[in-house]
Amino acid sequence: DTGVSQNPRHKITKRGQNVTFRCDPISEHNRLYWYRQTLGQGPEFLTYFQNEAQLEKSRLLSDRFSAERPKGSFSTLEIQRTEQGDSAMYLCASSSGPRRYFGPGTRLTVL
Amino acid sequence: KQEVTQIPAALSVPEGENLVLNCSFTDSAIYNLQWFRQDPGKGLTSLLLIQSSQREQTSGRLNASLDKSSGRSTLYIAASQPGDSATYLCAPEEAGNNRKLIWGLGTSLAVNP
Repeated sequence: DTGVSQNPRHKITKRGQNVTFRCDPISEHNRLYWYRQTLGQGPEFLTYFQNEAQLEKSRLLSDRFSAERPKGSFSTLEIQRTEQGDSAMYLCASSSGPRRYFGPGTRLTVL
Repeated sequence: KQEVTQIPAALSVPEGENLVLNCSFTDSAIYNLQWFRQDPGKGLTSLLLIQSSQREQTSGRLNASLDKSSGRSTLYIAASQPGDSATYLCAPEEAGNNRKLIWGLGTSLAVNP
């Protein structure tokens, strides 16, 4: 059982740069979720895929955020022109039923 | 709009105590409710999942109950150990097409040896 994996685990970037994160879900999980979490807060929903279709995107996300799941397997989350407020833990989860399985997260620091 | 409240926000206890963590939610139209554990700087681990038709679930020293009509869930931890120290989050899953989890802020638990 390989679980959900995320890469990189840590990313430090300068304001204005673009970053891309990758999530590999548990194989055969058709649903994939992205969340963002800041210190002391619960996870904040970003977007949701069923297979390759992006079914919902949070209204909190600006146009600088985009996510893809091209073949219904792994997913990428890109943030363009990063801002200091983007600093957070980015969590990915997958499921084939009601239980969500989370990855270890990618910690983003924008300087 | 669903809102989730967890009480207490923080808890510090000596090893061996039985613990009660409370979660309340405002909208009873949910598919299920999950309890997660999060260690500092890490992802979340699913502990227990209670379907809306169920009253409780048990796993080892953990027991979670659900009273959907009153919008409450409780996580019981028996004979607490220092390894139980973590943040515990509850998340009801909204009824609807996209099955969204709604999160509380969690209870930060410290079990002291």
